[in-house]
Amino acid sequence: DAGVTQSPTHLIKTRGQQVTLRCSPKSGHDTVSWYQQALGQGPQFIFQYYEEEERQRGNFPDRFSGHQFPNYSSELNVNALLLGDSALYLCASSMGHKQPQHFGDGTRLSIL
Amino acid sequence: QQQVKQSPQSLIVQKGGISIINCAYENTAFDYFPWYQQFPGKGPALLIAIRPDVSEKKEGRFTISFNKSAKQFSLHIMDSQPGDSATYFCAAATGTASKLTFGTGTRLQVTL
Repeated sequence: DAGVTQSPTHLIKTRGQQVTLRCSPKSGHDTVSWYQQALGQGPQFIFQYYEEEERQRGNFPDRFSGHQFPNYSSELNVNALLLGDSALYLCASSMGHKQPQHFGDGTRLSIL
Repeated sequence: QQQVKQSPQSLIVQKGGISIINCAYENTAFDYFPWYQQFPGKGPALLIAIRPDVSEKKEGRFTISFNKSAKQFSLHIMDSQPGDSATYFCAAATGTASKLTFGTGTRLQVTL
């Protein structure tokens, strides 16, 4: 039973570029959340997708956008990258609204 | 505004000892309090969680104590082992699968 899978594992971009990160939820899970974890900090909630719609959003600018596909997989897009966007981006999935969230191992994004 | 405060920032415990990590929250709407364990290069893994209708929950060597009136909860790791060396995050949410608000993390080192 595969857990939450994220790709790529590492990514290097330069300021001003755009990036797309991908997440496949755990089998049977239909809700996907994205978090940003800066070095030495706790994860910060970006947004959550359920039934292909953004259901909740954290305090992140519009440069951060996402999408959920009919197979429940999800993408996180970040435009106009800033140095401060360097972080570990974590995807978490859950089954509906009453089950706990399970995290993938993240994508390490470095901005030069 | 940080809504979940976690202490200590780091902790060194001898093998066989008890590790104690504390968290305090501000938002009284929180009704789900999980603890996550994170190893370097990995995503957070759910350890144990509690709801405010109980004051204590135990799973193996891990126990959560919850004080609703003080808005505090803590993780106790009994008989700590070197394999427990990791970063621990407390979190809080309104609803099990809702956005998680994380503490800043505690880096635990268990020495021989």
